[in-house]
Amino acid sequence: GAGVSQSPSNKVTEKGKDVELRCDPISGHTALYWYRQRLGQGLEFLIYFQGNSAPDKSGLPSDRFSAERTGESVSTLTIQRTQQEDSAVYLCASSFPSGSYNEQFFGPGTRLTVL
Amino acid sequence: GEDVEQSLFLSVREGDSSVINCTYTDSSSTYLYWYKQEPGAGLQLLTYIFSNMDMKQDQRLTVLLNKKDKHLSLRIADTQTGDSAIYFCAESMPHGGATNKLIFGTGTLLAVQP
Repeated sequence: GAGVSQSPSNKVTEKGKDVELRCDPISGHTALYWYRQRLGQGLEFLIYFQGNSAPDKSGLPSDRFSAERTGESVSTLTIQRTQQEDSAVYLCASSFPSGSYNEQFFGPGTRLTVL
Repeated sequence: GEDVEQSLFLSVREGDSSVINCTYTDSSSTYLYWYKQEPGAGLQLLTYIFSNMDMKQDQRLTVLLNKKDKHLSLRIADTQTGDSAIYFCAESMPHGGATNKLIFGTGTLLAVQP
């Protein structure tokens, strides 16, 4: 595709429910990243995929958060038993690294609101 | 730690120069990036600098890097109202020789007054 797409663009859920956020990276990009941006704050790294393996999950805030990726394609971020502090914009990025240069292309994000 | 710090807010008048500052922590970062985030839009890469450079100029944008002080700045010449956005600096964090993750600063909101 032309760019990174994410769905849904907005999600409102009740505390305690599970949510799934989807990311479609740019075709051919081997690396995929999830970030979280809380209101008025910078981006927090959550997890990175190289292909369908996740060498770095260090940013996942708790075991309620998980992610998977199918091959070098779609990724899903799942948040179980959502809490109000999970409210944020979740951003996905993909890249095709060249040496140590790594321009990441970002999707528009999913705004998650937990009531 | 992995803290990248920026001032939160900058206000300038149209036509003036804007300078957005950033301090980073990891001296092994190979690339440093500036991203722009406009309301309702995703982040877009504005420019980047390789760590062995002191300066990079790209049209109205000038990036200065002081490795000794771990200080990065972005200068926008002739600032326009369309430059109003949040600007993030980011440093790359090598991960075992594989793809780098980015550590982002807190973002600087640039407000350009007509």
